Formats: sequence, C-alpha cells, structure tokens
Amino acid sequence: AAGVIQSPRHLIKEKRETATLKCYPIPRHDTVYWYQQGPGQDPQFLISFYEKMQSDKGSIPDRFSAQQFSDYHSELNMSSLELGDSALYFCASSLTGTATFGPGTRLTVT
Amino acid sequence: GIQVEQSPPDLILQEGANSTLRCNFSDSVNNLQWFHQNPWGQLINLFYIPSGTKQNGRLSATTVATERYSLLYISSSQTTDSGVYFCAPRRVGNEKLTFGTGTRLTIIP
Repeated sequence: AAGVIQSPRHLIKEKRETATLKCYPIPRHDTVYWYQQGPGQDPQFLISFYEKMQSDKGSIPDRFSAQQFSDYHSELNMSSLELGDSALYFCASSLTGTATFGPGTRLTVT
Repeated sequence: GIQVEQSPPDLILQEGANSTLRCNFSDSVNNLQWFHQNPWGQLINLFYIPSGTKQNGRLSATTVATERYSLLYISSSQTTDSGVYFCAPRRVGNEKLTFGTGTRLTIIP
C-alpha cells in the first residue's frame, strides 16, 4: 500500500539558514498535517490542510510557513533557523479517520 | 485544548510478560489512535479506536469514550515491542490529533 513520502530524510543546516521539507500524502487523502517532535518530546501539531486550504494551526513559529499545492503535496518552509528547531518533522495524511504518518525528516541545526 | 495523559511513563519488562498502557483524555473525542514509535523514530499506527475494543495479534485496545480513557494491552512481549507508545485522540470539532506524553516500554531478553 502507498505510504506518506517525506523528503529529505535527513537535513543539516546552520543557524540562520533556510530549510524546505516536502511531503507527498497518500493518493486521494484530503488532509495533510505537519508535526514537530523535539528530542525526548511528544509530537507537537504545527499546521494542517484540508483540500489544499489551511484548516488548523498550532504552535507554529512565524518563521515557519507551509502550503499545499495543486498536486496535493505539501511543503514546510523554515527560515532563520535556530538551534531549537532541531527536531524530527512528521507529515501525516488522512481521509475520514486514520491518520498515517510519514517516516519523518530529521533536521539538525548547527 | 485537550489534555492527554499516559501512564506509566516508563515500563521495563521481561520478554514474555504482559502489559497494560493507559491513556486519559479531558474532552469528548471522535477519533483516537495508538502509535508505536520504534527506535528509528518511525510512528507506526497500531489502532484507530474511537470507541470499543479491537484486537490485532498480541495487541488489543479498548476505548471507553464516555469515561475518557483508552487502554492498550500487549501480551507475550517481544524485544521488538520496545519503543515509545503514544495515544493521540482528536477532540470533537477539531482537526488535529493531540499526542499524549507517551509510555517508554523496554523489553529485556
């Protein structure tokens, strides 16, 4: 069965740089979510999209932005990176019920 | 927002033992999922269980939505069961799943 695809899987950036994370949801899923998981923490909700429109927003810093494109893939853009942004970033997709998570992108900011 | 508490926070068991993990939540929910996060960080969906009981092999889960709790049972534990178990309910009228604090399970051979 098709799964959620995230790229890249690992990313190393320096402070103040910019990063772009990509997510390809399961085909025909209408909702995409982004979560951030810091070391030893539980995943925290950042933002979600329903049918390409932003549907909910969590504790997402102003330095972060996200969008969902016409082909349903989504991108999370992070600017002015800080050391505290080092985390595992998950994308998930769902269609009326079960959310399926991607493998995550591990971002390290040095 | 919804508050989600899991217990116990840590659990160390011998291979073959059984365990029960608990998830309490503060609001009415229309969705609840249990996840296993393996040592490589992957979040594996175990159950979608907004109410009732489900079983999948050695694992089963029960959600009593009216009393705002869910239980995950693991029988005959194996070392591959090690990792962190999260419950994640979705509050009625809300879009997102809110993760609990997790239970770290360590199975010793």
